[in-house]
Formats: sequence, C-alpha cells, structure tokens
Amino acid sequence: DGGITQSPKYLFRKEGQNVTLSCEQNLNHDAMYWYRQDPGQGLRLIYYSQIVNDFQKGDIAEGYSVSREKKESFPLTVTSAQKNPTAFYLCASSRRAGRDNEQFFGPGTRLTVL
Amino acid sequence: GENVEQHPSTLSVQEGDSAVIKCTYSDSASNYFPWYKQELGKRPQLIIDIRSNVGEKKDQRIAVTLNKTAKHFSLHITETQPEDSAVYFCAASILLRVSGGGADGLTFGKGTHLIIQP
Repeated sequence: DGGITQSPKYLFRKEGQNVTLSCEQNLNHDAMYWYRQDPGQGLRLIYYSQIVNDFQKGDIAEGYSVSREKKESFPLTVTSAQKNPTAFYLCASSRRAGRDNEQFFGPGTRLTVL
Repeated sequence: GENVEQHPSTLSVQEGDSAVIKCTYSDSASNYFPWYKQELGKRPQLIIDIRSNVGEKKDQRIAVTLNKTAKHFSLHITETQPEDSAVYFCAASILLRVSGGGADGLTFGKGTHLIIQP
C-alpha cells in the first residue's frame, strides 16, 4: 500500500474556510489525479495533472484548486466556494507512458464540514 | 463528456457461484476500461483492465469482456469466495495510444456492492 500517501486522514472544516489536502507519491509517476467519492456514488474526477506545472479540470472542478510545482506532490485546496465539500477525497497517480496505465490510489482524506 | 452506467447496484450470490457486473459507456473514443475493487474503508485497487484492441481478458477467476460496437463491458467472477465481497467499480478513459500512454482521468460507474452468501 505504500508509494502514495495522503494527509490528513480526517479533516474537519468550518463553513467559509479553505482547506488543503496533501497528496505525495514516490513512484516516479508523471500523472496525478484527484477524485471525490460520496456515499453510494462512484468516484468523480476533480482535477488531474499529466506533468509538472500543468493541470486540467475534471468533471467537478468548481470550488477546488490545485497546484503541481513538484512531480511528487499534487495538493488540493477545497475553497469556500465549494457548496457541499463533505466527502471522501482520493488522490491517485499513474505512469504517463508505456503499457502500464494503472492508477494507484492513496488511502484518502475524509473531509467533514461542520 | 463520458458517461458510464453500471448495473446492478447490489448483487448477492451464493459462494461458489458466478457473478456478472455490466457497464455501458457513451464516448466511442474511450479505449481503456479498468475495474476496481474497494473494500470497506479502504482505497480502490485495480483488479483487471482491458483496452479496446482486445475483446476479452482473463486473470484466474476474473475475466472482462468488451463489446465496442454496443459500447458495453462486463466483469465476470467465477467460483466466488467470501473475500470477493466488496464494492466493484467499472471505469472508462481515453489513452493517447491504445498501446499505452498518458490518460485523462477515469470516469467511474456508481459501483456494485457484491455480497457473497456462505
């Protein structure tokens, strides 16, 4: 289960506050992804990045922001503009070239808005 | 954008029987279809994947079939065991090249809760 880590495991936020979720990987993967999982739902793509200093919006990017200053790190900021931020957030990474396209997931961060 | 539908949402089978989960996708450009297993409280883990240049792939008790014309793909688990109980997700994506390469993010189905009855 090593290789991609997320912190914190649990996070509580008051309404109106921005919070940043950490995602780090030591797999030397170029691509990194952020997904949101709600109960009874599949994972939905928030943002992804294929290379350093570049990222793309996913299906539900509104109210979120990301940065990719280092290959190993892809932090996600949940802003106060996100109307319903309580969810389980999963980060993933994958190779960008070659036949192995598996996305490896981190253990997740459970965010609760109080 | 891509839309993935997954059925059934819950599937209960007797231990030793087979289980089949079906998914459909909307974007004909999708060429990569992985299946993930997620146990309660844990991260999703890849169990098998298939690319659009093949119609079937098998790995021990698990197999996946793909029908590009109909835009659907299925997961087959034979000789089910208690440890197969979990939520299974199908997904679709576009690889830059079907032989491998960078991918956009995955579009997931809503999941199937597989229950193996002893």
